[in-house]
Amino acid sequence: EAQVTQNPRYLITVTGKKLTVTCSQNMNHEYMSWYRQDPGLGLRQIYYSMNVEVTDKGDVPEGYKVSRKEKRNFPLILESPSPNQTSLYFCASSSRLARETQYFGPGTRLLVL
Amino acid sequence: GENVEQHPSTLSVQEGDSAVIKCTYSDSASNYFPWYKQELGKRPQLIIDIRSNVGEKKDQRIAVTLNKTAKHFSLHITETQPEDSAVYFCAASGVDSNYQLIWGAGTKLIIKP
Repeated sequence: EAQVTQNPRYLITVTGKKLTVTCSQNMNHEYMSWYRQDPGLGLRQIYYSMNVEVTDKGDVPEGYKVSRKEKRNFPLILESPSPNQTSLYFCASSSRLARETQYFGPGTRLLVL
Repeated sequence: GENVEQHPSTLSVQEGDSAVIKCTYSDSASNYFPWYKQELGKRPQLIIDIRSNVGEKKDQRIAVTLNKTAKHFSLHITETQPEDSAVYFCAASGVDSNYQLIWGAGTKLIIKP
């Protein structure tokens, strides 16, 4: 089954404790993105990647890191999480031939205390 | 850069009536306009999209119209049903956004029985 997976789905952590949210897709997609979703603000792009070893900042990259060492994986790293990073996070992927049609993962709900 | 505004933020309609959600965009170079539906607790999913060389597109009870001159596009849902209750997001993309989707803030559609 073609899908985008994220782990963990729910996470409660404390300020300053490094965490990683994994994202994996099995559709051989070149493009991958991370978004955060907050009430009233819609979806805001954090980082995106157009291929292996190619990443770019989105609209709200501060406090986040990403890497794209393999085509299928695109982890989101919070080196020192803060309460304002409490949010719902979505990973998405799309193919080079239909790059604007994004397939979303199930989401990761993060609470930073 | 591109900016997408979406109205209304909340829309309540009687079951069986029609619903219309409107978005405006700022970048005349944008040429792709998708609509995503997000049910409560779930991931956004593409429901319909339109490219700038087309003025209208229909898929059963949903349709999207595009006015390039005025730089706005709308989602139309006819004969609304309870399962249409969700948050709807519009987006725009083009070469100026590096084909990254720029999102509206979302519309919560409530279908009253």
